[in-house]
Amino acid sequence: GEDVEQSLFLSVREGDSSVINCTYTDSSSTYLYWYKQEPGAGLQLLTYIFSNMDMKQDQRLTVLLNKKDKHLSLRIADTQTGDSAIYFCAETFSGGYNKLIFGAGTRLAVHP
Amino acid sequence: EADIYQTPRYLVIGTGKKITLECSQTMGHDKMYWYQQDPGMELHLIHYSYGVNSTEKGDLSSESTVSRIRTEHFPLTLESARPSHTSQYLCASSESGGKNEQFFGPGTRLTVL
Repeated sequence: GEDVEQSLFLSVREGDSSVINCTYTDSSSTYLYWYKQEPGAGLQLLTYIFSNMDMKQDQRLTVLLNKKDKHLSLRIADTQTGDSAIYFCAETFSGGYNKLIFGAGTRLAVHP
Repeated sequence: EADIYQTPRYLVIGTGKKITLECSQTMGHDKMYWYQQDPGMELHLIHYSYGVNSTEKGDLSSESTVSRIRTEHFPLTLESARPSHTSQYLCASSESGGKNEQFFGPGTRLTVL
């Protein structure tokens, strides 16, 4: 069945790079997404990658996709305290309506 | 910036009350969604809609109901709230088409006493 898995917690020092990993199961997913959720708020789309791409860079964010291993990662360069949040990986479900399958989220804590 | 709104943001209510959570979007999106999220947990799709007069149940069974009379409006109703309904409810919308970029509202945090 459809499943998206993420590690639950990541702690980094301010200024370091953060790498958040995700694995998914639906090999026919066309788009994969990274969302950010700050406390008490909804989800904000950070970036997405199309399945025929290996990498996408957007300012401090780099997304890497290994389609063979069904592995997606989000790298945040020069991590700041404002990056502290929960990061959700999501894949597009190929089985019909525009459904997204979300992982459980990775809580990123940035400390001085 | 996404133009999708939810009210109320916070609601504390007693058991047995009827409640309606409002969701509106001004982007003209056909597709709308309701997710339920417990603190620190993943999102579960409970309802979605392809367009006006279209509503479908999601993956997670829910006692709530939804309606879609207007494109921009997708309210969720609980006829008789119970403590097990305590959760955060997130509304989202997306255009038709392949990318399925979903825009989320700020959420309603519901507490049923």
